[in-house]
Amino acid sequence: AQKVTQAQTEISVVEKEDVTLDCVYETRDTTYYLFWYKQPPSGELVFLIRRNSFDEQNEISGRYSWNFQKSTSSFNFTITASQVVDSAVYFCALSEDTGNQFYFGTGTSLTVIP
Amino acid sequence: EPEVTQTPSHQVTQMGQEVILRCVPISNHLYFYWYRQILGQKVEFLVSFYNNEISEKSEIFDDQFSVERPDGSNFTLKIRSTKLEDSAMYFCASRRERSPASNEQFFGPGTRLTVL
Repeated sequence: AQKVTQAQTEISVVEKEDVTLDCVYETRDTTYYLFWYKQPPSGELVFLIRRNSFDEQNEISGRYSWNFQKSTSSFNFTITASQVVDSAVYFCALSEDTGNQFYFGTGTSLTVIP
Repeated sequence: EPEVTQTPSHQVTQMGQEVILRCVPISNHLYFYWYRQILGQKVEFLVSFYNNEISEKSEIFDDQFSVERPDGSNFTLKIRSTKLEDSAMYFCASRRERSPASNEQFFGPGTRLTVL
């Protein structure tokens, strides 16, 4: 079973539109951590955010915001007023306190059209 | 700001050849990782390394793979006899402590391995 599911494979939006990337996770641990990474065409993984399971407060960082809902095991990512530079593949990841590795979702490829 | 570095950025090799991918983790980090990303697919865990030994490995990390910390700074991934399906981006990562509560797992920029 997949620990992290990103059901949206590809999304295209027109510049300045808002877009939400979905992430659903599965874990039996009570303590766990969720992450979002951006992978631009150059290939590196750019850290965006970490959220632990005890902190359900939503976070906003500039145009980025994250909605963590334990009740639905979701950790969605919204980009407001998207820009062409936001075009990338976005990965959601889970790290469990009992383990050591990251579990990545399959990624969502976002294309922002000018 | 300290960062994880990887060399080379791109390696091309013939099937059956041995390759060594190199990583320099952040200097005060104690836990080291390798991940693999086949083109267009998700990032997959290969192995974690602590105190000069493997602490966890995935089923992908079979006998053709090995890791080593030959000195105080480098962390290497060796693939003994490369196969076409080993073509992927390989990411190194490091963390100061084991728990993600305490600090980040930092990823390197990746090495793109192409097996011909």
